[in-house]
Amino acid sequence: EVQLVESGGGLVQPGGSLRLSCAASGFTFSSYWVHWVRQAPGKGLVWLSRINSDDSSATYVDSVKGRFTISSDSAKNTQYLQMNSLRDEDTAVYYCVRTNRVGAPSYWGQGILVTVSS
Amino acid sequence: DIVVTQSPDSLAVSLGERATINCKTSQSILYSSNNKNYLAWYQQKPGQPPKMLIYWASTRESGVPDRFSGSESGTDFTLTISSLQAEDVAVYYCQQYYIPPFSFGQGTKLEIK
Repeated sequence: EVQLVESGGGLVQPGGSLRLSCAASGFTFSSYWVHWVRQAPGKGLVWLSRINSDDSSATYVDSVKGRFTISSDSAKNTQYLQMNSLRDEDTAVYYCVRTNRVGAPSYWGQGILVTVSS
Repeated sequence: DIVVTQSPDSLAVSLGERATINCKTSQSILYSSNNKNYLAWYQQKPGQPPKMLIYWASTRESGVPDRFSGSESGTDFTLTISSLQAEDVAVYYCQQYYIPPFSFGQGTKLEIK
């Protein structure tokens, strides 16, 4: 069974950093692309980033470019989202999403809450 | 960037009736190599992550009831629930995954009338 489990969220002050983890079971990340998506409280979905499993290249939405970095550890079968220079508006539930065999963002983790507040 | 415009913002439909949600992209999301539109539809219930219903604009994900269907015409896309069930109450989103940033529609809240 495909499972994605996010961790590493919590309360952080503005300007601070957090690293989110997305641990996989039931499959190997290296065979799929992975997206990160967030949802502010009571709001819609916002796509943040995708890592290409073929060459580990990543692409980002402008609002997080230069602040967020996506990476992977194949030995741990885990993806990471390093978030720096956090702002109040980064407060959200963060989801990692795995694609299906034809590249559609299909399998979602349960999400992890990040709260940026002083 | 591709803008995805979803409508309506909210919708109330009687049980057993048809529900229709629309999505329009600001440019083509058709991949010429396979003639597929790279659009997905998701259902999100309170406190849960989104669940993918449809990909390639009209291909139903495994296990999704056949009352859910997707259709396409150029840059216009539609999610149809043919006979609304109580468990279909949710927020529905479309997303283009053709060109990054892979933008979402703003969501449609579906309720029972």
